[in-house]
This record gives sequence, C-alpha cells and structure tokens, in this order.
Amino acid sequence: GAVVSQHPSRVICKSGTSVKIECRSLDFQATTMFWYRQFPKQSLMLMATSNEGSKATYEQGVEKDKFLINHASLTLSTLTVTSAHPEDSSFYICSARAPGMAYGYTFGSGTRLTVV
Amino acid sequence: AQSVTQPDIHITVSEGASLELRCNYSYGATPYLFWYVQSPGQGLQLLLKYFSGDTLVQGIKGFEAEFKRSQSSFNLRKPSVHWSDAAEYFCAVGLTGGGNKLTFGTGTQLKVEL
Repeated sequence: GAVVSQHPSRVICKSGTSVKIECRSLDFQATTMFWYRQFPKQSLMLMATSNEGSKATYEQGVEKDKFLINHASLTLSTLTVTSAHPEDSSFYICSARAPGMAYGYTFGSGTRLTVV
Repeated sequence: AQSVTQPDIHITVSEGASLELRCNYSYGATPYLFWYVQSPGQGLQLLLKYFSGDTLVQGIKGFEAEFKRSQSSFNLRKPSVHWSDAAEYFCAVGLTGGGNKLTFGTGTQLKVEL
C-alpha cells in the first residue's frame, strides 16, 4: 500500500513554456503533499506544502508565481513550472502524507525537468 | 534552526564489509529521525525511522540505526553490504509541531566494490 505515482518521469521543454507535473496517491487519500527540488549531487530542498482544498504554503525564496501548486483533490497535486528557464532544470520530487500519519510519507519517483 | 549533517559525501566499501553512515542533527529537543535511500533517478524509499522508545531501530534491507542523544547522532549501519546497496542515503529530521516538514541532510553516496 501507500503508493505515490509521479508523472512524467522525464520532460524536456523549451524555454518560456510551462510544464505540469502530477503527483497522485494511488491507494490512499493524501491530505498533505510536499514538493521538493533536488539539484545534482545535492539534497532535497522543500519548495512548498500543499493541503487539499487550500492554498499551498511556499518556503522562503520559492517564487509562488513561477511554481504553481494545485491540490484540488485528496489524491492529486500538481506542480506547474511557468515560463520555464534553463535554471529551472532540476529533479522534482513529491511526497504524500496520509491522514493521521504525522510522518508517514511516501515519495514519488521524481520528474527530471530539462529546459532547453 | 534545525540542521542535519552527513559528514561523509562519498563512502566506498567492499561487498560483504560492514557499513556505517553518519548523521548528526542540531536541535534543542529530540526530533523524529529518518533514513531514506535513493537510487539514481528515483524517489526516496524509507529505510527506518525513530520516534521514541528503543534507541536501536531495525529497518528494511538489513539496515539498522542507533539514536544517541548524548551525541545528537543517528548513524545508519549494516553488517554486510551487498552490491545492490549502492545508492544515495539521506538522513532527515522532523519536528513535533513543525508542520510535519522534513529537513534532509546533504546525503552520502555509497559505492560498493565487488
């Protein structure tokens, strides 16, 4: 149980376009989802926390208008990178937490975004 | 602010040898502690976690970790490493009442020599 599906696994887009990444909890309802960014050979940096039905909470330094997060249902959160630039190229990972499980996180398999 | 330190960026061990990956945290109270493993291009898999109780925690894949309050450490160990253990290992901490956020260490890249 507790499977999180992240799609796409890889995406290449042109500079100036937008890209949407989906994070789905397949067999549980996730009240909270987290979005991380990971640069090569580095750790995961939390970008934002999204709670179902409310606005996402962004970490300091993360541009809200560039990284749009939507958590419209208990099984789906999306991250949209708007007007992408090469510096947005990175590995993005989501994680989901089931209700009543304080630190019961399940991570998606990540999305490799390359902006050319 | 809380922090997590993994002093070893890279570690190389021979298959069959024992392994210890170090993790130290900085926080006034005892946080929740986790070890995750990440294979290349993949998400993270939870190896084990410590919330309270017995300070020696058993995890999956033969891993264990020991919480030492006096040293603010939570080192990961495995008595005999397999080639398939080669991956990136992350230590993470979470705080009670901290919005359930995790703070990750910088990771240790494990290479296993055959």
